[in-house]
Amino acid sequence: IAGITQAPTSQILAAGRRMTLRCTQDMRHNAMYWYRQDLGLGLRLIHYSNTAGTTGKGEVPDGYSVSRANTDDFPLTLASAVPSQTSVYFCASSATSGVTDTQYFGPGTRLTVL
Amino acid sequence: GQNIDQPTEMTATEGAIVQINCTYQTSGFNGLFWYQQHAGEAPTFLSYNVLDGLEEKGRFSSFLSRSKGYSYLLLKELQMKDSASYLCAVLDSNYQLIWGAGTKLIIKP
Repeated sequence: IAGITQAPTSQILAAGRRMTLRCTQDMRHNAMYWYRQDLGLGLRLIHYSNTAGTTGKGEVPDGYSVSRANTDDFPLTLASAVPSQTSVYFCASSATSGVTDTQYFGPGTRLTVL
Repeated sequence: GQNIDQPTEMTATEGAIVQINCTYQTSGFNGLFWYQQHAGEAPTFLSYNVLDGLEEKGRFSSFLSRSKGYSYLLLKELQMKDSASYLCAVLDSNYQLIWGAGTKLIIKP
């Protein structure tokens, strides 16, 4: 593994189903982030984690939850998917938070909720 | 509220120069980033500006004016592989990135 990996690459999901998007990084970065990207809109922060064991809410957290049990993994869970959660989801990481470290992005998960 | 404005789309010719503008209004400022995103791929880092002036990195340069809330990305000697979206993002007072919607750059031969 080099950098950030995300799984699955794409998924079609029925509304009401539970779904977990996986994100793993091997750069030993402290901070990790989940964004969604929708056509015509900028990337929007869903949740973030400054370090293992801590998480915080971003701009659009409703309907999503995260956990950060260790440094490498930062899964995003949709408890009961709705069509408005159809989007491309990017996981990102940076060496630290609260400073101007560059964020590095995973390849993304394209999610369609029907 | 916080706002980042960029043109939606621009077209330029291979070998030419193009300037992509970004204006911002944010709660605080801790720097401005430019990222490149090819269709269907992840954003990748291009540049970071925190002080006024021009930062040059090969064919790409980025300019910042904090007093005007303005930045631009200058791409020289355009190549077909430069066809992509270019994302402007500002690090606000909480050190969270606020993203523009991106500028889709189309390069024609």
